[in-house]
Amino acid sequence: GIQVEQSPPDLILQEGANSTLRCNFSDSVNNLQWFHQNPWGQLINLFYIPSGTKQNGRLSATTVATERYSLLYISSSQTTDSGVYFCAVEGRSGNTPLVFGKGTRLSVIA
Amino acid sequence: SAVISQKPSRDICQRGTSLTIQCQVDSQVTMMFWYRQQPGQSLTLIATANQGSEATYESGFVIDKFPISRPNLTFSTLTVSNMSPEDSSIYLCSAFPQVLSEAFFGQGTRLTVV
Repeated sequence: GIQVEQSPPDLILQEGANSTLRCNFSDSVNNLQWFHQNPWGQLINLFYIPSGTKQNGRLSATTVATERYSLLYISSSQTTDSGVYFCAVEGRSGNTPLVFGKGTRLSVIA
Repeated sequence: SAVISQKPSRDICQRGTSLTIQCQVDSQVTMMFWYRQQPGQSLTLIATANQGSEATYESGFVIDKFPISRPNLTFSTLTVSNMSPEDSSIYLCSAFPQVLSEAFFGQGTRLTVV
């Protein structure tokens, strides 16, 4: 099946710093999503981005489908950005469950 | 966006007992998915639930341990049976409200088995 690799596994930032999280995937995909998991375990949808670039406030994401990777940018980080960020993909056959990477654990310190 | 309501949000259970988790979607969906997230780990798919047929289980998960019901197009339940401390995890349900769109997740059920 499709493989999803995220890097780095852990990241510690000073408040106000910028960061880039990477997601590599092993095959063509119908769907790529970025999630933030809060301390209570809830998954928050950040981006649905099978290709192209999107921005939402301090967050933006870019997926280069032909090269099988996606990047999540966090600018001017805040302590509330702390948590685990997951990349998940759905294979080309469609209507199949998302396959998750192992996540990047982000800690933003004041 | 879709709303997926999952309950309970958390529970502490005695070993050997069973817990049923409910998931309600605010629109009709063809398939619903159940995931397990063990402490400090990523999400792993347990099974895919189609309305009107038996669920399809991933390798390492069996129906006797994780029976699933899907009585209609908006609702599903997952039961964790004969629990042991190793079943302590977050369980999440998911669905795609529309074809070729993003998936949404329930709030998760944090299960602790003592």
